[in-house]
Amino acid sequence: DAMVIQNPRYQVTQFGKPVTLSCSQTLNHNVMYWYQQKSSQAPKLLFHYYDKDFNNEADTPDNFQSRRPNTSFCFLDIRSPGLGDAAMYLCATSRAGGTEAFFGQGTRLTVV
Amino acid sequence: GIQVEQSPPDLILQEGANSTLRCNFSDSVNNLQWFHQNPWGQLINLFYIPSGTKQNGRLSATTVATERYSLLYISSSQTTDSGVYFCAVITGNQFYFGTGTSLTVIP
Repeated sequence: DAMVIQNPRYQVTQFGKPVTLSCSQTLNHNVMYWYQQKSSQAPKLLFHYYDKDFNNEADTPDNFQSRRPNTSFCFLDIRSPGLGDAAMYLCATSRAGGTEAFFGQGTRLTVV
Repeated sequence: GIQVEQSPPDLILQEGANSTLRCNFSDSVNNLQWFHQNPWGQLINLFYIPSGTKQNGRLSATTVATERYSLLYISSSQTTDSGVYFCAVITGNQFYFGTGTSLTVIP
């Protein structure tokens, strides 16, 4: 019974070619998060949605965009991936107010 | 923004030993979680612990919110405990990770 599902688990994309990562949840949580984790580093928050309200972290590059068409799904779009964007991308969900967060298995992105 | 520091950054233990991992945070938080990141990169929930003490098998955690720290105790460590341990704090709806502790348990 996976609750937060990320697809694909592994993604290889070409330098500069747009790529979309997806996240779905069965928990009906109203907050969804996207994190970037590079090797040997802590996950870094890119942005989060509170319902349909989008909240971007100040240092998230413009190259990263997100869409949340409904409660269950959230997408991470990388418009022009660079070599430095190769990382693990993690999606998480929680209820509003700082309740327990649940993570997906992550998508490992390789840029060639 | 809030700063979340973990110590020690690296830890090597002999199987069967006990250990304590620490998480310090710089401001008031709504909640705190501890995670274990496995070799495949998945974050496994260990504890959701805004305050007080919880235990789950060989692991236990204590959070003292008024003093802005949390501790994770691992007793009788096993090789499968190896990996990176993160604490993460929640302020409002923002969820920030600590710097992590990399644990290696040697047989």
